Amino acid sequence: GAVVSQHPSWVICKSGTSVKIECRSLDFQATTMFWYRQFPKQSLMLMATSNEGSKATYEQGVEKDKFLINHASLTLSTLTVTSAHPEDSSFYICSARPEGTASYNEQFFGPGTRLTVL
Amino acid sequence: DQQVKQNSPSLSVQEGRISILNCDYTNSMFDYFLWYKKYPAEGPTFLISISSIKDKNEDGRFTVFLNKSAKHLSLHIVPSQPGDSAVYFCAARGRGNTGKLIFGQGTTLQVKP
Repeated sequence: GAVVSQHPSWVICKSGTSVKIECRSLDFQATTMFWYRQFPKQSLMLMATSNEGSKATYEQGVEKDKFLINHASLTLSTLTVTSAHPEDSSFYICSARPEGTASYNEQFFGPGTRLTVL
Repeated sequence: DQQVKQNSPSLSVQEGRISILNCDYTNSMFDYFLWYKKYPAEGPTFLISISSIKDKNEDGRFTVFLNKSAKHLSLHIVPSQPGDSAVYFCAARGRGNTGKLIFGQGTTLQVKP
C-alpha cells in the first residue's frame, strides 16, 4: 500500500527558532500534498494545499509567511514553522494524493509530527 | 463555523455489539464523505466512503449511511472488536477536484472485551 512518512516524528524547540517538517511519499508520486494541524481533542484542520512546482494555497487564517511550504518534487513537501512560539505547539500531519487520481480514498496520511515549542 | 460536526466525543461499546458513530454537516454542497480511523500519535487511515448520490455503502464490518435530507451520516461497525478502539473522524469534501477535506472533531470509540 501507499506509504507516507514524516520527519521528524517529534521535535522540541525554543521559542523564536524555525522548525522544518518533511513529508515524503515513499512509493508513489504525489502532485498534491496537504498539511493539517491538530490541537488536543480537536479536529484536523487543513492549513494549506501544496502543489508540486507551484505556490501553496493557504486556508483562511493561516499565515503564509509563518508556515512556509515547499513542494519541490513529486515525493517531498516541507513545512517550515518560522519563529515558532508556544502557541504553535501542535500535531502536524501531512497527506499525499497520488498523481493522476481524483479519488479521495487515495489521500494517504503521514504519521504526524509532534511540535513542542518551549 | 464548524461545517462537519461529531457531537459525541466518546462512545463505549461491548465487544460483539454494534458501534454507531454519528456525523452531521451543514454544507449541502459536499459531494463525498469519508470516515477515517486514528490511533494516538499516528496519522488517520481511511476506512470507508460514500458519495452524496448514494445512501449506503458497505465494506465488511463497516457500513456508512447517508441521510441527505437530514444532513447526517453514520458509521456502523458490527460486530465491534477491541481492535476497533480508536478515534474516528468523519470528513467531507466540497464539490470540485481540490481534494480538500473538512474533518469533524472525532469520536473516541472504546470497545470493551
